[in-house]
Amino acid sequence: DAKTTQPPSMDCAEGRAANLPCNHSTISGNEYVYWYRQIHSQGPQYIIHGLKNNETNEMASLIITEDRKSSTLILPHATLRDTAVYYCIAYFNNAGNMLTFGGGTRLMVKP
Amino acid sequence: GAVVSQHPSRVICKSGTSVKIECRSLDFQATTMFWYRQFPKQSLMLMATSNEGSKATYEQGVEKDKFLINHASLTLSTLTVTSAHPEDSSFYICSARGAGMADTQYFGPGTRLTVL
Repeated sequence: DAKTTQPPSMDCAEGRAANLPCNHSTISGNEYVYWYRQIHSQGPQYIIHGLKNNETNEMASLIITEDRKSSTLILPHATLRDTAVYYCIAYFNNAGNMLTFGGGTRLMVKP
Repeated sequence: GAVVSQHPSRVICKSGTSVKIECRSLDFQATTMFWYRQFPKQSLMLMATSNEGSKATYEQGVEKDKFLINHASLTLSTLTVTSAHPEDSSFYICSARGAGMADTQYFGPGTRLTVL
């Protein structure tokens, strides 16, 4: 799986959009971009994933650049409960593969 | 989304004893389950991958005789830490992936193991 690079930490004001960047310049054509988050002392929570097109669900939006070398996870209206470590993972989701976690971005949402 | 549970959520044991952690997929059949370990302020590290009905595949550096994994059914996998020592104290997290779910892995809430 391709390596991803994320800033180690970010702050965001409550109620504002949180934009979390991820670089994956060596991503291959069949690798998806997955986002998970881990709130303190809990297991990771799946957020969203995409291949080429932008994706949106009830939790977040995922914007993938046309060359697929980077992406941005957007939490449209961050709340204090969104404070967590966010992991961006490039992953080829077939039966033989597994997720590999890097350092992630520690997002602190402040009142 | 799919739900994965773990039991117990936390356990304290004496050095030298064995501890079993259960991981269950509650609303889907998990063809593959994964076990991760996470030390304080570190990221998750994959320990092993298990497919239902077959032996687990362990990552390099993980002792298979110490961390026994059983995946006997499509909804249950167990991790047994044998002869636990204080250095085995960690946060153990399982995840599960089922066929027909776009291969997304869903994680359990984790088990905090403290070995005294």
